[in-house]
Amino acid sequence: DQQVKQNSPSLSVQEGRISILNCDYTNSMFDYFLWYKKYPAEGPTFLISISSIKDKNEDGRFTVFLNKSAKHLSLHIVPSQPGDSAVYFCAARQAGTALIFGKGTTLSVSS
Amino acid sequence: EAEVAQSPRYKITEKSQAVAFWCDPISGHATLYWYRQILGQGPELLVQFQDESVVDDSQLPKDRFSAERLKGVDSTLKIQPAELGDSAMYLCASSLGARGPLETQYFGPGTRLLVL
Repeated sequence: DQQVKQNSPSLSVQEGRISILNCDYTNSMFDYFLWYKKYPAEGPTFLISISSIKDKNEDGRFTVFLNKSAKHLSLHIVPSQPGDSAVYFCAARQAGTALIFGKGTTLSVSS
Repeated sequence: EAEVAQSPRYKITEKSQAVAFWCDPISGHATLYWYRQILGQGPELLVQFQDESVVDDSQLPKDRFSAERLKGVDSTLKIQPAELGDSAMYLCASSLGARGPLETQYFGPGTRLLVL
């Protein structure tokens, strides 16, 4: 049973517009959530994180929103740039345990 | 900027052969993780070390996989014998090991294994 789900395998956005990537989870004990970006043939790169005690965290063009009641988080990228084209993984963890990753969403930003 | 180092980057081997992957975490990071990523999936944990001790190896196929971190710094993951289904990207990550933001895991570039 998948504890972290990214239901959209792919997303296409035009340069300058907003990209919204979504993630759902089932384990209410998760207390820390992260987004990673991955280019082909490279390891995942940490992007942004949020603790379960917060509902929003912002870092430049990237903002993560957490809705604990819905067990849902989203990553907003504004404005989107062609260099943002990559696979985005949502990950979650319970204190003292390893990260559980979703299957990823491939973002394509066209110029 | 400090990075997690992994070698080799690519490995092609025949089934039933032995392979080994090496990882050097970011200096000062007490926690080290080995993940396996199959194409189209997210990374899945194989083993987690806290210093030199194994914290979680519940998903490690122990009949053929072994991992060690003898001095609590760098680590080796071994597969013997390799099987066709082991073809995947093997990722190493490290973190400071504490809670909250310090728990953020930083990944190396990975080793792409192809078993023929």
